[in-house]
Amino acid sequence: TQLLEQSPQFLSIQEGENLTVYCNSSSVFSSLQWYRQEPGEGPVLLVTVVTGGEVKKLKRLTFQFGDARKDSSLHITAAQPGDTGLYLCAVGSSGGSNYKLTFGKGTLLTVNP
Amino acid sequence: NAGVTQTPKFQVLKTGQSMTLQCAQDMNHNSMYWYRQDPGMGLRLIYYSASEGTTDKGEVPNGYNVSRLNKREFSLRLESAAPSQTSVYFCASSPRTGNEKLFFGSGTQLSVL
Repeated sequence: TQLLEQSPQFLSIQEGENLTVYCNSSSVFSSLQWYRQEPGEGPVLLVTVVTGGEVKKLKRLTFQFGDARKDSSLHITAAQPGDTGLYLCAVGSSGGSNYKLTFGKGTLLTVNP
Repeated sequence: NAGVTQTPKFQVLKTGQSMTLQCAQDMNHNSMYWYRQDPGMGLRLIYYSASEGTTDKGEVPNGYNVSRLNKREFSLRLESAAPSQTSVYFCASSPRTGNEKLFFGSGTQLSVL
């Protein structure tokens, strides 16, 4: 069973459209991270959400952490071709002094000019 | 501002050959990680090192070994490569164990024929 379920898996839209992608789980998390990965590069952190119900904005990107801290969404307003990439959500787990990050499978977004 | 540097960027191996993927970070981070990324599978953790001198298995460690050579360097070795190890490999680092961001290298694309 996948810890994090991301949907949709693929999304292709036209420039200027709005979109929302989702990250869901049956587990409760203390925090959740969103990364964006461009072709040929490693993922880059966009945001970390910590508090249930929290909303964070990064220019045209709006991130929300669910009230129960089990899910999160990413909304992009007026998408641009530069937003094209793989969007990944991730959660951390700690055991003693160890810490590791588990990723969802991602949503591959293509924004067409 | 190199960040996380991985070498090589591309590699082709024959089944049974061995090789070592190199990773170095210049951010004085304590923790380092190796992930593999396969289509439809997302990023999966192979091994990680919470601090210099320690290593631990992740989700998919079989067929791999790691060495945390010093605080800067964390290498991944394939002793006898198999076609199932064809993947894109990413090294990452984080400042300390805890709930924080990972910094990724740009990846090594490995094909095993």
